[in-house]
Amino acid sequence: QVQLQQSGAELVKPGTSVKLSCKASGYTFTSNHMNWIKQTTGQGLEWIGIINPGSGGTSYNVKFKGKATLTVDKSSSTAFMQLSSLTPEDSAVYYCASGVRWFAYWGQGTLVTVSS
Amino acid sequence: DTVLTQSPALAVSPGERVTISCRASESVSTLMHWYQQKPGQQPKLLIYLASNLESGVPARFSGSGSGTDFTLTIDPVEADDTATYYCQQSWNDPTFGSGTKLEIK
Repeated sequence: QVQLQQSGAELVKPGTSVKLSCKASGYTFTSNHMNWIKQTTGQGLEWIGIINPGSGGTSYNVKFKGKATLTVDKSSSTAFMQLSSLTPEDSAVYYCASGVRWFAYWGQGTLVTVSS
Repeated sequence: DTVLTQSPALAVSPGERVTISCRASESVSTLMHWYQQKPGQQPKLLIYLASNLESGVPARFSGSGSGTDFTLTIDPVEADDTATYYCQQSWNDPTFGSGTKLEIK
């Protein structure tokens, strides 16, 4: 069965960066795109961007350009998202989710807390 | 961005029929999808392309609509359906509605 296993919760300081991971199993990693989605109480669900694991091609929500960088490691079937120049507004649960137009499979989420 | 508007909350009794609406700020054709999210869990896909039931989702769930107006129907509602329901469009960069919190009385 398809599983997306995300890395654990992060407590990070403002101004720093963090790299989240999402390990896929149960399907051919390069056969489906991977998305990253932010969830906060105030802003709800926001799509950050998408990566094609086969080509490495990416597309970002304009709001997150310069904030998020999506990469993959095909050898380990893992997708990554690096968030830079963190501020308290980046505190959220971040999900990876597979699919192109809709998201059939989701990771369990990674809580990122930005605090000094 | 395409803005999706949902009513914030609904309360119904078990066995009743409930409809949850989602209105798009522009036409998204049938590129609308629905998710269920329970507290502490990730969202779960229920319906894709407006009316297609995702594999494994009970037939009590159905979706309809096209253009700007969409509906998720649960009939009959069960206690386990307590959750927040989100719509999501993929006509352009994906956006989500703010969610409808469903309470089962």
